[in-house]
Amino acid sequence: DVKVTQSSRYLVKRTGEKVFLECVQDMDHENMFWYRQDPGLGLRLIYFSYDVKMKEKGDIPEGYSVSREKKERFSLILESASTNQTSMYLCASIPDRNYGYTFGSGTRLTVV
Amino acid sequence: ILNVEQSPQSLHVQEGDSTNFTCSFPSSNFYALHWYRWETAKSPEALFVMTLNGDEKKKGRISATLNTKEGYSYLYIKGSQPEDSATYLCACNSGNTPLVFGKGTRLSVIA
Repeated sequence: DVKVTQSSRYLVKRTGEKVFLECVQDMDHENMFWYRQDPGLGLRLIYFSYDVKMKEKGDIPEGYSVSREKKERFSLILESASTNQTSMYLCASIPDRNYGYTFGSGTRLTVV
Repeated sequence: ILNVEQSPQSLHVQEGDSTNFTCSFPSSNFYALHWYRWETAKSPEALFVMTLNGDEKKKGRISATLNTKEGYSYLYIKGSQPEDSATYLCACNSGNTPLVFGKGTRLSVIA
């Protein structure tokens, strides 16, 4: 089975810190995505990448950046964490658009 | 941004009941419709990927239909069991765009 691994399940950071959320997939998938999930809002797309070194803004990219130096790894960066970035972050990958997404187990980030 | 709507927001059913939920989406520039099951403390799990108008898919007691002309999909669960309790997410995309998700339907099956 494809595995998408997110490095931390729970994370607590202070306001203003630079935060790295790591996501690694082991099946050579081209496409990777970062979503956040908030109560009552559903999953919202932050950034996505269809190839190494490629990145595209999603619907809510403000305050975030991403890095994809290797195909298997897609990192989400919170440049200066703020309390409104407290959320559940989900990473996903697919080989192409005809497949269902495989999600990681999520990182619940709390910014205090 | 695509707008994907799911109803109802939540649902409580008795064990053994059959149930269904709705997902509506814009029918123009449609490419695919996905259904996911998201159990508490787990990752969302893909149930179905559907692309063709009139498509029907089935996995055990769960099935889904797709009407791309009018922009809706139904998810059916026959004989609900407590282990079916989860949030069911619908998502769709157009062309090569990432999925846009609805807010989900939270199902609770009472034994």
